[in-house]
Amino acid sequence: VQLQEWGAGLVKPSETLSLTCSVSGESLNGYSWSWIRQSPGKGLEWIGDMNHSEGANYSPSLKSRVTMSLDTSKNQFSLKVTSVTAADTAVYFCASREVIMTAAWGMFANWGPGSLVIVSS
Amino acid sequence: QSVLTQPPSMSGTPGQRVTISCTESGSGVGTNVYIHWYQQHPGAAPKLLIYGNDNRPSGISDRFSGSKSGTSASLTITGLQSDDEADYYCQSYDISFKAWVFGGGTRLTVL
Repeated sequence: VQLQEWGAGLVKPSETLSLTCSVSGESLNGYSWSWIRQSPGKGLEWIGDMNHSEGANYSPSLKSRVTMSLDTSKNQFSLKVTSVTAADTAVYFCASREVIMTAAWGMFANWGPGSLVIVSS
Repeated sequence: QSVLTQPPSMSGTPGQRVTISCTESGSGVGTNVYIHWYQQHPGAAPKLLIYGNDNRPSGISDRFSGSKSGTSASLTITGLQSDDEADYYCQSYDISFKAWVFGGGTRLTVL
């Protein structure tokens, strides 16, 4: 499974951040598709994920500004974050999350290389 | 809310064994929730190292092992190598917030 993020690398404050993740080697039906970000010099922060059976699930801290969607026809999924500030500057990773209820449940097995998004005027 | 606490930094010399801890705390801790571990080199995406507390994905060296007892998990690296110098993160699930959480990360330096 290979994932690749793409989208605008520079976003103005108060505007909307948009990223898309293209998936190859796997259909969108088998996993939950996730976004995780990492602010410069900081740790990993789960933003949310989505799958066809459960719908979308977002981090409580970002829920009011985040929307995710799946495009099965293009085998890709997307992230939108509204009203961005400098605090949203980060490398954004897309990843697949295991949904089968075994020891693997919840693991992020496959990751994209990451896409740096800078919020600045 | 569930919090995963890791030591910010650790170090070791080549050939040594190091153990990185990950302690769960808070009201969101689940009794049957698994811990997963990731390795991240600078400028790269995280890589799954251990899943389900103590399982290695295909292709991961057996120098890496994981364990969990109660609310404490650990990642052990034996025969430390220079390429093990990286950041390590544990990950679990917060049952109260229904959210996936990561520990703050541990930077491992190989001296």
